[in-house]
Amino acid sequence: DAGVIQSPRHEVTEMGQEVTLRCKPISGHNSLFWYRQTMMRGLELLIYFNNNVPIDDSGMPEDRFSAKMPNASFSTLKIQPSEPRDSAVYFCASSLEFYEQFFGPGTRLTVL
Amino acid sequence: RKEVEQDPGPFNVPEGATVAFNCTYSNSASQSFFWYRQDCRKEPKLLMSVYSSGNEDGRFTAQLNRASQYISLLIRDSKLSDSATYLCVVNMGGTALIFGKGTTLSVSS
Repeated sequence: DAGVIQSPRHEVTEMGQEVTLRCKPISGHNSLFWYRQTMMRGLELLIYFNNNVPIDDSGMPEDRFSAKMPNASFSTLKIQPSEPRDSAVYFCASSLEFYEQFFGPGTRLTVL
Repeated sequence: RKEVEQDPGPFNVPEGATVAFNCTYSNSASQSFFWYRQDCRKEPKLLMSVYSSGNEDGRFTAQLNRASQYISLLIRDSKLSDSATYLCVVNMGGTALIFGKGTTLSVSS
């Protein structure tokens, strides 16, 4: 079975550009999470969805960040405009209700 | 105070050693607890859940002390393949998890 799929795996962009990260959760999972990981701050929850509905977006750093989940098999995290301090690894994870979260391989974002 | 705190290490141990990691959490209403493992440049993966009675999975033993808000992970007979970062994780209700920054373990031959 396929795990959580994320694209792109690596993204290098210039400050001010729009960045879109994509995630396909495991089929049948109804919760989806977006995390950001840096050396300084560790793994931080940005937003999570349950049954395609955003439940908690209190971790989204500012208005430049937005996330959508138009259907059960796809989600996007968008940064517009991007800044160098957004450089991090962005993970998507999915789970069935309260059970184990399965993480995707991550997108390594570098903003120059 | 951070919600989940861990000693970042690194812990450098020889093969065969026993090593213990500790973690404290700030919210007494926390409901469930886990240890995740993250290899270098990889995603986190669930290692084991932590139950109030303590639980063991092979060489790994996890303990929970709710009164002290303290979680531990013991690894016996360390292997080279145990080298990784171990993340203490707390669920405060609902589906969202709170991750500690992780403790890095390096096992050498």
